[in-house]
Amino acid sequence: ETGVTQTPRHLVMGMTNKKSLKCEQHLGHNAMYWYKQSAKKPLELMFVYNFKEQTENNSVPSRFSPECPNSSHLFLHLHTLQPEDSALYLCASSQALGQGGETQYFGPGTRLLVL
Amino acid sequence: GQNIDQPTEMTATEGAIVQINCTYQTSGFNGLFWYQQHAGEAPTFLSYNVLDGLEEKGRFSSFLSRSKGYSYLLLKELQMKDSASYLCAVYDSNYQLIWGAGTKLIIKP
Repeated sequence: ETGVTQTPRHLVMGMTNKKSLKCEQHLGHNAMYWYKQSAKKPLELMFVYNFKEQTENNSVPSRFSPECPNSSHLFLHLHTLQPEDSALYLCASSQALGQGGETQYFGPGTRLLVL
Repeated sequence: GQNIDQPTEMTATEGAIVQINCTYQTSGFNGLFWYQQHAGEAPTFLSYNVLDGLEEKGRFSSFLSRSKGYSYLLLKELQMKDSASYLCAVYDSNYQLIWGAGTKLIIKP
């Protein structure tokens, strides 16, 4: 399944580094999402974009900065992260928002470790 | 607040049947999803229920009771490859997807 791809798959960074996560979807979808997945916790929705417009920012710290240049690409820019930000970051896409029953399709995630 | 409850971990035997339960308390309801996630991989879509009843798809079935805020995922003829986490998620009245923490299913030979 290569509908949603994410790079890099693994990332180790120091607290003073700046890095970016990339997501690309090849499904012709119009909505894209960033999630944080920590062990034994529910998926935490971070950001939502619909037709390139950000519609959701769930009280995410400013050290995470999303960018959506077009409906197929989504970035998550990271700077001055904390060790508690270590997690699996998942990107997902769906046909659109707000229509109910929209299945979200996920990428394989980026496993992030902050030292 | 909104909440989805599922067991943290379950163990079953290869060839057997297992039922994974999910209960939810959300502000409104616009459908319930089950996803499968193997370790280190992406969650993949299994089923979607919006009306009461049982949806069957091969070895997997999903049941929904909206009046009870309850769903289950039934896996038959278990195979070793079914070892994974199973995530329950509900669309609330604002079409926000609320996720459970997932149930880790361990299959033993």
